[in-house]
Formats: sequence, C-alpha cells, structure tokens
Amino acid sequence: NAGVMQNPRHLVRRRGQEARLRCSPMKGHSHVYWYRQLPEEGLKFMVYLQKENIIDESGMPKERFSAEFPKEGPSILRIQQVVRGDSAAYFCASSPDQQETQYFGPGTRLLVL
Amino acid sequence: DQQVKQNSPSLSVQEGRISILNCDYTNSMFDYFLWYKKYPAEGPTFLISISSIKDKNEDGRFTVFLNKSAKHLSLHIVPSQPGDSAVYFCAALVSGNTGKLIFGQGTTLQVKP
Repeated sequence: NAGVMQNPRHLVRRRGQEARLRCSPMKGHSHVYWYRQLPEEGLKFMVYLQKENIIDESGMPKERFSAEFPKEGPSILRIQQVVRGDSAAYFCASSPDQQETQYFGPGTRLLVL
Repeated sequence: DQQVKQNSPSLSVQEGRISILNCDYTNSMFDYFLWYKKYPAEGPTFLISISSIKDKNEDGRFTVFLNKSAKHLSLHIVPSQPGDSAVYFCAALVSGNTGKLIFGQGTTLQVKP
C-alpha cells in the first residue's frame, strides 16, 4: 500500500509566478489535510478537504491560496503570484476518516526567488 | 498564540539511556495527542498517540504520558538508539472538530553512540 505521494518534491518559482502542489492520498483515504512548515517552526494547518468539498480552510491565507480535491485525481494546493514569504515546506496528510491518525507525505519544498 | 509548546529545542542523550521529550498545551478542549518523528527532507512519521481518557500509552520502546491537570505530556524512549535521532513533534486535536492537528515547534533529539 503506497503511502501519501506528493509532487514535485522541490519547486522553484520566481516572484509573481504560480505554484501548483499535488497530493495523492493513501489508497482508501478520502480525507486530505495540507500543512505548511516555515523554517525553524512547526507545522501549521492550512486546509482540510474531502472529495469535492473544503471542510475547514481556517488556516489558509485569504488571498492567493486555494485548494481542491476533485472527484478524480490528486488534491491540488495552488499559490498564485508567489512571494518570497511563501518559501516553505508544504506537507499533505491523509486519513481514512476525520478522527483517524493522519499519515504524511514527503512534502514539497517551495523556494521563491 | 502557541497552543502547543515544546520548550526544549534540542536534547542530546547517550545511546542506551532514556530520552524524555516534553510538550505543554494550553487548550483544555484538546482530547487527543500524537507524537510524530521527522527526518530531514522527509515528512513526519506517526509514532504514538494517546486519548485524554488515558494517562499512559506504550508501544515498544515508546511510552507517552499525559497529565491533564498540568496540561503536559511527555514521550519516553528507552533505550535510545542512534537511529532515533530526529525532530520530534507533539500534536493535539479536538475530537469532533475538523481533525486539524495543532503542532508544537519540535525538539531535535540527538542520540550519541
């Protein structure tokens, strides 16, 4: 059973470009969470999605950030017009149910030049 | 507002001895706690969890203790091994909520051979 997959593992963007981060949950998991880790900090919750629904986006910046988890395909975290402060590691986690243990992917390291 | 705190950024222990990692929380609504281990350039790996109805949970070399009155939990690793060297994150959630995890800042454990 493959674990949570994220791609790309590393992403370099210039200021103003768009970044698209992908997450494929573990097989059988329909709950996806996105977290961000800034340098020297812990992980911070961004958004929680189920198939085709955003359940909790209380940790998402109000502008430039969006997330989706379509019926088919991976979950996408999209950052428009990236700025240097967006440079961080972005982790996706999945679980079979809302209160079950979350299993994390390897992360996408975004660097904005 | 740091609801979950790991006040020791780092800990160094000799191989074979006990490692004790500490975590404090402020939100009395938290009722489920987890410990994750993270190697550089990888995602967090689930280690062990505890529900607030318990005060101890043990899994092999890992034991988590919960003191609800003090809002404090600790992870004991015994005996410590060099392969345990990693960053350890404490996380908490409110059951019945959206399942989002609130993480501490992490403690870097170094186990010396």
